[in-house]
Amino acid sequence: GAVVSQHPSWVICKSGTSVKIECRSLDFQATTMFWYRQFPKQSLMLMATSNEGSKATYEQGVEKDKFLINHASLTLSTLTVTSAHPEDSSFYICSAFSGRSYNEQFFGPGTRLTVL
Amino acid sequence: QKEVEQNSGPLSVPEGAIASLNCTYSDRVSQSFFWYRQYSGKSPELIMSIYSNGDKEDGRFTAQLNKASQYVSLLIRDSQPSDSATYLCAVPNRDDKIIFGKGTRLHILP
Repeated sequence: GAVVSQHPSWVICKSGTSVKIECRSLDFQATTMFWYRQFPKQSLMLMATSNEGSKATYEQGVEKDKFLINHASLTLSTLTVTSAHPEDSSFYICSAFSGRSYNEQFFGPGTRLTVL
Repeated sequence: QKEVEQNSGPLSVPEGAIASLNCTYSDRVSQSFFWYRQYSGKSPELIMSIYSNGDKEDGRFTAQLNKASQYVSLLIRDSQPSDSATYLCAVPNRDDKIIFGKGTRLHILP
């Protein structure tokens, strides 16, 4: 399968600071990437669709000014959690279409964010 | 009706037996179907894709698709304790977004 990486794998930050999470497609180009959030024992929740060279599309209820997404190249999308608060603590996962088969999505390993 | 439905479980299966996971979907025009495995604290891993009616086998895994009944299943033969995880059924919608079921928790009993 296609390989998607994320960095960092975990991060702890103070309330009010901003945190940037990187998502990279390592062996393919991804014009579209997705950002998900998952709270403990809950389902994946799609936050936004990241499109290379254009603005991200956010799902209903997701604050675009709080969760900044940049997809500047075909292999890199970034999610910045601005002015993080404890309620933003979660598991953030990105995914990308490989383009090799019908809409197969491959996930990165995820980033665990803890806001103190 | 929810777009992708799964029994949340937990489904307990003895080691060595066959685990059967089921999923129904609402959009009749869906063309591709996926099963992901998610271990606790990890991200989902794609384990099976199926596009045509019938069965598709890959090692101990068999995916079964019945588009007329809008039903897709995953069979795991010779279940191992390492198969204990949450299994997510996923179907792309008309906007090319993947719609996930809430997942079925599978527990293989040693």
